[in-house]
Amino acid sequence: QQQVKQSPQSLIVQKGGISIINCAYENTAFDYFPWYQQFPGKGPALLIAIRPDVSEKKEGRFTISFNKSAKQFSLHIMDSQPGDSATYFCAARFQKLVFGTGTRLLVSP
Amino acid sequence: EPEVTQTPSHQVTQMGQEVILRCVPISNHLYFYWYRQILGQKVEFLVSFYNNEISEKSEIFDDQFSVERPDGSNFTLKIRSTKLEDSAMYFCASKGLIYNEQFFGPGTRLTVL
Repeated sequence: QQQVKQSPQSLIVQKGGISIINCAYENTAFDYFPWYQQFPGKGPALLIAIRPDVSEKKEGRFTISFNKSAKQFSLHIMDSQPGDSATYFCAARFQKLVFGTGTRLLVSP
Repeated sequence: EPEVTQTPSHQVTQMGQEVILRCVPISNHLYFYWYRQILGQKVEFLVSFYNNEISEKSEIFDDQFSVERPDGSNFTLKIRSTKLEDSAMYFCASKGLIYNEQFFGPGTRLTVL
């Protein structure tokens, strides 16, 4: 119940394309859903986050879509750039953060 | 911009030895966390700390682990008798009172030989 399932495990997107990463959860008590970006050798950094009472949040090229009834949320990266190449983790919070398994994104030039 | 700092960046130790990982959270934050990430795997919650006591801990955080806030700035994770499987990146995070965001430090890579 505390798990957050994330897919795909890895993703290759051409420069300028759209990257889409999906997550699903079971625990309806989760009240906050952040996405973290992690570069090799660095700690996770918050990218964008959403609360369950909102269906979409956009910040620049990054958009979270949230489907409360399906218990799913996704990250869309528009106009993907080589600098976006990193590992992305979704997470969900009920008191503590529960992380997804991560998606390694490679944006090819 | 304020940030969470961690020392050392890399710690190598022998199995059975004690290690202390140090963190300096962002100065006005009140909630403190430790996470670990085994190479290539997801980030896992270890423990949260608020008001000078543990507020939640995971099943990973057994009797070999302890946390302390020895003064007004440091937050430490102690592993009493390290095992090979403790080898991982350990991340400290802190959070303020109002906003939800947890700020992560750069991590300490612990290698147990």
